[in-house]
This record gives sequence, C-alpha cells and structure tokens, in this order.
Amino acid sequence: ETGVTQSPTHLIKTRGQQVTLRCSSQSGHNTVSWYQQALGQGPQFIFQYYREEENGRGNFPPRFSGLQFPNYSSELNVNALELDDSALYLCASSLQAGRETQYFGPGTRLLVL
Amino acid sequence: KQEVTQIPAALSVPEGENLVLNCSFTDSAIYNLQWFRQDPGKGLTSLLLIQSSQREQTSGRLNASLDKSSGRSTLYIAASQPGDSATYLCAVDSGNTPLVFGKGTRLSVIA
Repeated sequence: ETGVTQSPTHLIKTRGQQVTLRCSSQSGHNTVSWYQQALGQGPQFIFQYYREEENGRGNFPPRFSGLQFPNYSSELNVNALELDDSALYLCASSLQAGRETQYFGPGTRLLVL
Repeated sequence: KQEVTQIPAALSVPEGENLVLNCSFTDSAIYNLQWFRQDPGKGLTSLLLIQSSQREQTSGRLNASLDKSSGRSTLYIAASQPGDSATYLCAVDSGNTPLVFGKGTRLSVIA
C-alpha cells in the first residue's frame, strides 16, 4: 500500500503564470483535500473532492480550481499567480468524505517571484 | 466558526526535559482532535488522534489529552530529545467540515 504522493516537490513561477500541482491518493481512498500553508501559519483548507466532484470549498478565489480523476488522483490549478500564493501546498486523502482520518502527502513548495 | 490556538508559538528546552504543548479550540462540538509533527519544509506526520469520546491517547513518549468541554488539548512529551525538534500542529475535525489547524508550536530541543 503506497501513501499519498505529490508532484513536483518544488516549483518556481513568476507572477501571472499558471501552475498545476498533482496528488496521488492513498490506495482505496476516494476523497482528496487540498490545503495551503503559508510560512509560519497552519494549513488552510482550499477544497475537497469526493468521487470526482467538489465537496466543499474554503475561502479561496475562483482562480484556485481542481480536478479529481476516476482513479481518485487529483490536481490543483492556480491561475494568474500572485506573490502571496507562495506557500507549501498539501494534499490529504481519506477513505471517504466526512468523519475519516486524513493522510497527508509531503507537499509541494511553490515560490512565486 | 471554529478557531484553534496554540501556545506557546515557540519553545526551547534542554534535552531530557518533559514539556507540554497547549491547544485550545472555540467550538466544543468536535468529532476528533489530531496532533501532527512537521519538519521544516516537509509535510505532516500524524502523531496522535483523540476521538471526542476519549480523554487521552499515548504513543511512546507522547501523551495527548482532550478536555472537550473546556475546549483544550495538551501534548505531553517526556524526556525530550534533539530529534523531537519540529513544529507541532493541532487540528480539529468537527465532522463533515475540513480540518481546522492552529498555527503550531515550534519546538527546539537543545543537546
């Protein structure tokens, strides 16, 4: 059984560009949640996908969007990057939506210049 | 709206000392509370998960307690070691909502 994996590990972009981050959920998990963690802060919930549909969204603008695929892997897309988007992006998978333990991946460190 | 606060923000202790990290939350209607460890620039490692019906959980030198009615949890680390140096995050699960995290306590254990 493999754990949650994320790619890439690090990424540098310039303001205005677009970025796609990827997450492979733990085997058997159909729910993926994305979090943004700015330096010195706790992770903030971006959105959750359950069986390929968005199942809750935090206080993030529409330029943050996502997808979940039939194999339950997921993408986070951010358009029109801003300097404040620089953060560690964490993906977590769980057995199903709701009251289930979430298992976190190692994260993708995004730097926007 | 659930809010989670962790005190202190940073802590430095000599090796071998026992220490307590604190976490408080504003809404006591929680499903569970989880403590995580985070090494610099890395992801989250789950340490202990306490269900709302439980009072404490133990794993090795770590003991986490939960007082739901007062909105508090503590993480007790016995006989601290330099390898325990990391940021410790507390997260609350209120069920059918995303995890709400505190900002963490940055721990340094000095050899």
